[in-house]
Amino acid sequence: AQKVTQAQTEISVVEKEDVTLDCVYETRDTTYYLFWYKQPPSGELVFLIRRNSFDEQNEISGRYSWNFQKSTSSFNFTITASQVVDSAVYFCALSGSGTSYGKLTFGQGTILTVHP
Amino acid sequence: DVKVTQSSRYLVKRTGEKVFLECVQDMDHENMFWYRQDPGLGLRLIYFSYDVKMKEKGDIPEGYSVSREKKERFSLILESASTNQTSMYLCASSLFPGGTEAFFGQGTRLTVV
Repeated sequence: AQKVTQAQTEISVVEKEDVTLDCVYETRDTTYYLFWYKQPPSGELVFLIRRNSFDEQNEISGRYSWNFQKSTSSFNFTITASQVVDSAVYFCALSGSGTSYGKLTFGQGTILTVHP
Repeated sequence: DVKVTQSSRYLVKRTGEKVFLECVQDMDHENMFWYRQDPGLGLRLIYFSYDVKMKEKGDIPEGYSVSREKKERFSLILESASTNQTSMYLCASSLFPGGTEAFFGQGTRLTVV
């Protein structure tokens, strides 16, 4: 079985603050993939990043950065200097191999509101 | 651009009706998914399919079935719609099972009255 937990239901920040969205996952697979998606108010999910289980390097893309730690089964997402346009629901997801082959499991999502 | 198209944006059906939600992708993806999205519960996987005529149960398959007769089309069927199936339904596809990102349709808001 695989599971993704996003413990933060809602986060509210003021523009220019940094914000970190937490994601903890469970899987028995040794090979797996982690994802983050953004769902803006328009509703369509947008892919942000993919990480495989063998690559623990942190990644930075502009104001976005991701911290993958296998030791704590976490894949956290940080937005630096947040902007109003970052307001959205953010989902973490896990895709396994083995018994979970092909299955893509999402967390509950974190609603991020950035106030001007 | 990958396109995942769901046949309806909004649907209203009566309790007990048989409901078909259609999804088509145009990029020859192997994998297709059906999710429902409810407030506070995130996206919950109903069924997925990693090949034509193959289907696997997700986490909440009860009350649903699926059909994948052609690679590009994945249908979700509510055999006898009930009010607790009122939800947003999202279809997605990915190139291969496993490590490739999924692309989503615009969603179908189903209301069962």
